[in-house]
Amino acid sequence: DTEVTQTPKHLVMGMTNKKSLKCEQHMGHRAMYWYKQKAKKPPELMFVYSYEKLSINESVPSRFSPECPNSSLLNLHLHALQPEDSALYLCASSQDHWRGEGDTQYFGPGTRLTVL
Amino acid sequence: QKEVEQDPGPLSVPEGAIVSLNCTYSNSAFQYFMWYRQYSRKGPELLMYTYSSGNKEDGRFTAQVDKSSKYISLFIRDSQPSDSATYLCAITENYGGSQGNLIFGKGTKLSVKP
Repeated sequence: DTEVTQTPKHLVMGMTNKKSLKCEQHMGHRAMYWYKQKAKKPPELMFVYSYEKLSINESVPSRFSPECPNSSLLNLHLHALQPEDSALYLCASSQDHWRGEGDTQYFGPGTRLTVL
Repeated sequence: QKEVEQDPGPLSVPEGAIVSLNCTYSNSAFQYFMWYRQYSRKGPELLMYTYSSGNKEDGRFTAQVDKSSKYISLFIRDSQPSDSATYLCAITENYGGSQGNLIFGKGTKLSVKP
């Protein structure tokens, strides 16, 4: 089973709202990722968690706040977003991070976020 | 110079055709190569991964890596309308502070006409 699940599938929020995106995997993977994908563009890396610790933050604005409560769960907390933050937010996981073949990343279906 | 180059297409072929999708990369230290398929408004789905030069086959799909030319390809035999999607090549960095990060090509949009 190579499934990564994400909820919700769609989210519409105002610029003053606070919301959270959730991601879950049960493959025993120890690395989890958040990506942002705009239309007709490849995914852009936002954050990497390795063994439940934040290891990479790609200079993402503080209105995006990641959290890894345990090895199977990954959250992305959203606050005071801008309309240009509207995108598909993808979660991915891999067996490990920077260990070669174990880096193969499996993606979830994404959350389509619209900021009004 | 971008690290991974991929022709964005679009590419349109008739059903049953052989499709060739290609990427080039600039850094000879890159080691792990993947192809993802992404249907419209869905997450990327891993199709193939390889780490050595040569061919790897899985059903109708063949991934080819030529490290000497820094060139990777995905071939789809007997293409089907259900293969219509965007195909992303991705390479794993294996050095420096970005070890383990995926570098994506722009993606090639493929349409297979019945």
